[in-house]
Amino acid sequence: AQSVTQLDSHVSVSEGTPVLLRCNYSSSYSPSLFWYVQHPNKGLQLLLKYTSAATLVKGINGFEAEFKKSETSFHLTKPSAHMSDAAEYFCVVRVAGKSTFGDGTTLTVKP
Amino acid sequence: NAGVTQTPKFQVLKTGQSMTLQCAQDMNHNSMYWYRQDPGMGLRLIYYSASEGTTDKGEVPNGYNVSRLNKREFSLRLESAAPSQTSVYFCASSDVRLSGNTIYFGEGSWLTVV
Repeated sequence: AQSVTQLDSHVSVSEGTPVLLRCNYSSSYSPSLFWYVQHPNKGLQLLLKYTSAATLVKGINGFEAEFKKSETSFHLTKPSAHMSDAAEYFCVVRVAGKSTFGDGTTLTVKP
Repeated sequence: NAGVTQTPKFQVLKTGQSMTLQCAQDMNHNSMYWYRQDPGMGLRLIYYSASEGTTDKGEVPNGYNVSRLNKREFSLRLESAAPSQTSVYFCASSDVRLSGNTIYFGEGSWLTVV
C-alpha cells in the first residue's frame, strides 16, 4: 500500500521570499515521486520527479525537491517566490504503475 | 506537440442525460487514464487502460464506462448523469518505455450536472 500526505492545504508567502511545500509519503517499495503544478482552469504540469537517481531533484521554474528516505519526505522548495507561482501543487507517489495523489497545497503569493 | 487533448472543455448536463468525454494522445503512449478532481480531494482514478484493448477499474468507477478505441483514444461515458458526478475530469497518459513513470495530463473537462 502507498499513501501521500501534503502537510499544508494552504501556504501564503510574500513575493521574493522562500517557498516550502511539504510532502510525506509511505510505500512498501521504492517509489517514484513527483510534484505537479496546476494553474487555475488548467491541467497538471510536471514540475519535477524523483526516480532513484540523485536525491536532490531540480525542476522547472527554479523549484527543487529533496528525497529523504529516512524521513519519508519529498518537500518542494524555491528560493524566491514569484507572483506566477501562485497555483495548486500536488505531490504524487507512484509504485508499480499505481499513482496516489496528495490532496494538494494552494500557494498564494502576496505582492 | 499537442500531448493529451480532451473534449469538451465545459459541459452542463441535466440529471439522467448521457454524454461522452473524448481523449486523444499523440505521444504513442501505451497507458491512458481518466481521473476526476473534486475540491480538497486531489485526483481519484476512475478507469485506466494499461494498453490497447484492455481497461480496468480504478478507485471510483461507479456510474462510468470507458472505451479504449485504439492506441490514441480513450473515452469516458456517463450513461445517466447524477449531480454527484459534477467534477473536473482529466485524461492522462504514460508509457514506461517512452516517458518513464511520468504521467502527462490533458487540460481538463469541467462537467456540471444539474
